[in-house]
Amino acid sequence: SAVISQKPSRDICQRGTSLTIQCQVDSQVTMMFWYRQQPGQSLTLIATANQGSEATYESGFVIDKFPISRPNLTFSTLTVSNMSPEDSSIYLCSVEPSGGPGELFFGEGSRLTVL
Amino acid sequence: SQQGEEDPQALSIQEGENATMNCSYKTSINNLQWYRQNSGRGLVHLILIRSNEREKHSGRLRVTLDTSKKSSSLLITASRAADTASYFCATDSGAGGTSYGKLTFGQGTILTVHP
Repeated sequence: SAVISQKPSRDICQRGTSLTIQCQVDSQVTMMFWYRQQPGQSLTLIATANQGSEATYESGFVIDKFPISRPNLTFSTLTVSNMSPEDSSIYLCSVEPSGGPGELFFGEGSRLTVL
Repeated sequence: SQQGEEDPQALSIQEGENATMNCSYKTSINNLQWYRQNSGRGLVHLILIRSNEREKHSGRLRVTLDTSKKSSSLLITASRAADTASYFCATDSGAGGTSYGKLTFGQGTILTVHP
């Protein structure tokens, strides 16, 4: 299992600003995943963050908009840049501790509202 | 395109009744997972069923998988008010037996259990 802490849990942001979300895991994991959940919607994978290499982004997501850092095996950050109201979402960090086909563990999410 | 489609979108029942949620998907899978989300918070893994399994139980949960119909169902027996949440199916369709955490989530079913 894994315990994941995310900060901030929620924030209200102004249009055009950027916000960095932190994700801390209580154990070392190879891959960390960032998902977005828009209001009333399902989860969509933004990117996979591997330690020591650049993140791998899914179709529709780009590094300039969602830069990711992964400085070690227990920590990652996701920045939402130049925010617009369309970026209002819950951003979730997750890990797959088993390293194989298994369950994901999620943080509590960071609920961002962009005005 | 969205892999998992769930129905119903919303389900309202009384405590003690059974709740059944269905999930359909489009491509071949390695496994299918069900998650619960309380009030827009983090997701909690409920159960995983592999593509070569047809039925799986965990406490009050029963999951079935029909790969010929590309569908799955989640049954919660003897529901409780605490089961009130959103339930998501997620599919692992990665090549080589796993997508290593890159799951595709369905739209979810909002379950309300009235005391």
